[in-house]
Amino acid sequence: ETGVTQTPRHLVMGMTNKKSLKCEQHLGHNAMYWYKQSAKKPLELMFVYNFKEQTENNSVPSRFSPECPNSSHLFLHLHTLQPEDSALYLCASSQDAGTHSFYGYTFGSGTRLTVV
Amino acid sequence: GQNIDQPTEMTATEGAIVQINCTYQTSGFNGLFWYQQHAGEAPTFLSYNVLDGLEEKGRFSSFLSRSKGYSYLLLKELQMKDSASYLCAVMDSNYQLIWGAGTKLIIKP
Repeated sequence: ETGVTQTPRHLVMGMTNKKSLKCEQHLGHNAMYWYKQSAKKPLELMFVYNFKEQTENNSVPSRFSPECPNSSHLFLHLHTLQPEDSALYLCASSQDAGTHSFYGYTFGSGTRLTVV
Repeated sequence: GQNIDQPTEMTATEGAIVQINCTYQTSGFNGLFWYQQHAGEAPTFLSYNVLDGLEEKGRFSSFLSRSKGYSYLLLKELQMKDSASYLCAVMDSNYQLIWGAGTKLIIKP
């Protein structure tokens, strides 16, 4: 049972749709992350929130918009996506983004996104 | 640039031993992690190495050589449930995780 929950597990959306991905953690962590995972590619870090403040935005297109209302919840708002955005989107959390962690990150099971 | 290399895919036989290698070039080093990811599931933490040497944890062991920028994950007494992708990641000087593309391990009976 992962301590990080993502919904929905699967999402199919058209290029003109607007949808949101949700992530929730009950581990008491202060940092939350959005990653994109494509086949045979390394995990791509998209956004980092540390103590509810966005600390990283790795040149992500504006069609992806993150929101972090509190340390336990993270959203990724999607609009006018492209077919190449189809991938597994993973949420992760850690104790603190700016410090060392012996256990790395705890991941959610991801949202499999298909853009048609 | 920062880079993590690991084989794309490996095949092994149930009950055997397999070694998955990982080489890295990063800006600083604050530890190396191995994660296991079954298809459609979350990556889960397997091991962490920050000093040179071998860390053993049951059937799984992880080795690190910082001078060579090299690590391996050793899986013994392979079971069918070990079929998964194994991700190597290095924590750099900014405490960011730099990821390899993962090694898909296929276990055959």
